[in-house]
Amino acid sequence: GAGVSQSPSNKVTEKGKDVELRCDPISGHTALYWYRQRLGQGLEFLIYFQGNSAPDKSGLPSDRFSAERTGESVSTLTIQRTQQEDSAVYLCASSFASGSYEQYFGPGTRLTVT
Amino acid sequence: GENVEQHPSTLSVQEGDSAVIKCTYSDSASNYFPWYKQELGKGPQLIIDIRSNVGEKKDQRIAVTLNKTAKHFSLHITETQPEDSAVYFCAAHGNQFYFGTGTSLTVIP
Repeated sequence: GAGVSQSPSNKVTEKGKDVELRCDPISGHTALYWYRQRLGQGLEFLIYFQGNSAPDKSGLPSDRFSAERTGESVSTLTIQRTQQEDSAVYLCASSFASGSYEQYFGPGTRLTVT
Repeated sequence: GENVEQHPSTLSVQEGDSAVIKCTYSDSASNYFPWYKQELGKGPQLIIDIRSNVGEKKDQRIAVTLNKTAKHFSLHITETQPEDSAVYFCAAHGNQFYFGTGTSLTVIP
């Protein structure tokens, strides 16, 4: 079946602009996670959704970052007034439910802020 | 919160040799430990996982061991092949997923 998809695959934006990143999880997966991966580094947790609710927003780096999920399906991560330090790969993962269930990752969106 | 440490950061082995990557965690409540393989330009892919009620799990050339008392778990790859070259991440799940910093494995033909 279809895996997790993310769009766009690459995004180049100017400092100060807003960007929206999209994630389509595996159908039927109720949990959805966003991570940030800087070049050569590990995964940094940003936020997760159980259904359309976000019980844990503790990883969002600043109030410029927000995320939403609708219809227990697609999720968007929005970064306002982008800064150069926002440049990274943003990875989305989904799982059957939140908790200790296998996560399936999308290919990521590579964001470059110039 | 949880703290996951992963070693080594880079590892080179000859084709056919074994590779071992080790992780430690701090939160005794963590109960699920997956390992991911990430190839260049792709998202991480789950290769094996283990839960806290099991000490060892094997899948063909890949095995994972867990020592709950010492709070460490390891990935073992036997008979390595060039296509095993990638970055490997460990993770621990207690109330959320915490990832190690990754090991870049190179298998030399």
